[in-house]
Amino acid sequence: GENVEQHPSTLSVQEGDSAVIKCTYSDSASNYFPWYKQELGKRPQLIIDIRSNVGEKKDQRIAVTLNKTAKHFSLHITETQPEDSAVYFCAASIKSSASKIIFGSGTRLSIRP
Amino acid sequence: GAVVSQHPSRVICKSGTSVKIECRSLDFQATTMFWYRQFPKKSLMLMATSNEGSKATYEQGVEKDKFLINHASLTLSTLTVTSAHPEDSSFYICSARALGHWDTEAFFGQGTRLTVV
Repeated sequence: GENVEQHPSTLSVQEGDSAVIKCTYSDSASNYFPWYKQELGKRPQLIIDIRSNVGEKKDQRIAVTLNKTAKHFSLHITETQPEDSAVYFCAASIKSSASKIIFGSGTRLSIRP
Repeated sequence: GAVVSQHPSRVICKSGTSVKIECRSLDFQATTMFWYRQFPKKSLMLMATSNEGSKATYEQGVEKDKFLINHASLTLSTLTVTSAHPEDSSFYICSARALGHWDTEAFFGQGTRLTVV
């Protein structure tokens, strides 16, 4: 089955700097890659997603890149702000009747004022 | 965005009893819902895929007799933790995708924190 690895597990950056989180996946059939943000005690919220027919996608301060050949994808957050502090999860999904989403291990991002 | 409602948000039960958790898609139909378990400061571990009108598909290592899943309608899936024990204490969270939308956002319920005493 699909396996998603994520690193780093923790990341601390100065406010205003950029943060990068990287993930790899094992199943070449995966074709949908969402990123979720989870604040303490709350449900995960989608922040951006990318499909396998696209190499890069950007939404204001957030961007995601996908390298299908290498089977890795990354989240980039620019001009970080205190409210960006949270746990971020990458995930992968395969088009099928189940379309289950497999999550990475998570990255705890802390923004230093 | 679409809304997924999960109840209860918190439950404390005695060891040996069973607990039922409900997951409802409020404004869309979902043939498939997913149940995850999350330990403190850990990732979301997929337990099973709930299929409307058929048996759930369990991930390797998850006891189907321990975690009973029923998906009786396009808007409701339930997870029953049977004969709960302290090691079953965890955060359980469901998610759902709209019918036919395999490559779109999966919406999450607010989660259920189960404590078995």
